[in-house]
Amino acid sequence: ETGVTQSPTHLIKTRGQQVTLRCSSQSGHNTVSWYQQALGQGPQFIFQYYREEENGRGNFPPRFSGLQFPNYSSELNVNALELDDSALYLCASSLVGNNEQFFGPGTRLTVL
Amino acid sequence: EDQVTQSPEALRLQEGESSSLNCSYTVSGLRGLFWYRQDPGKGPEFLFTLYSAGEEKEKERLKATLTKKESFLHITAPKPEDSATYLCAATKAAGNKLTFGGGTRVLVKP
Repeated sequence: ETGVTQSPTHLIKTRGQQVTLRCSSQSGHNTVSWYQQALGQGPQFIFQYYREEENGRGNFPPRFSGLQFPNYSSELNVNALELDDSALYLCASSLVGNNEQFFGPGTRLTVL
Repeated sequence: EDQVTQSPEALRLQEGESSSLNCSYTVSGLRGLFWYRQDPGKGPEFLFTLYSAGEEKEKERLKATLTKKESFLHITAPKPEDSATYLCAATKAAGNKLTFGGGTRVLVKP
């Protein structure tokens, strides 16, 4: 069974740029959630995708957007990067109707 | 507003010194309470799900319990490899968002 994978591992961008992060779900999982984790804090929910549509969103501005593909993989896009966007971005997959979410290793984004 | 608070923020233990981590929550209509372990620079690793008050789950040296207002993670006779950040999270509906606490950083010294 393949776990959740994310790419890239690390990324360095400058303020104002755009970034795309990728996630492959655990085998058989059809729901993907994205979280932002600042250093020393707990993860914060960004949004969730199910059947290629957004299915719940946290308190993040519209410049945070996402996609889910027919194979359940997902992308997180962030436009107009700000310094405060520097964080570990986590992807989690689950089965719809099941509370348990399984996380990938994360992508460390640094905005200079 | 839903809130999850963990205490203490950090815990230093000697190997073999048992202790408990606290997670208090204010979540209307709690669906599930989750515990995760997170090593530095890595994603959270799922440990337990608790669904109702009075429920307990165990895994090796870890035991999680749930009341109507809080959950505890008991670490019995910890070893250095138990050093990690332990995260607590709550959810209100199946498959919906997890609301996390700030975590407890545990350091177990040999």
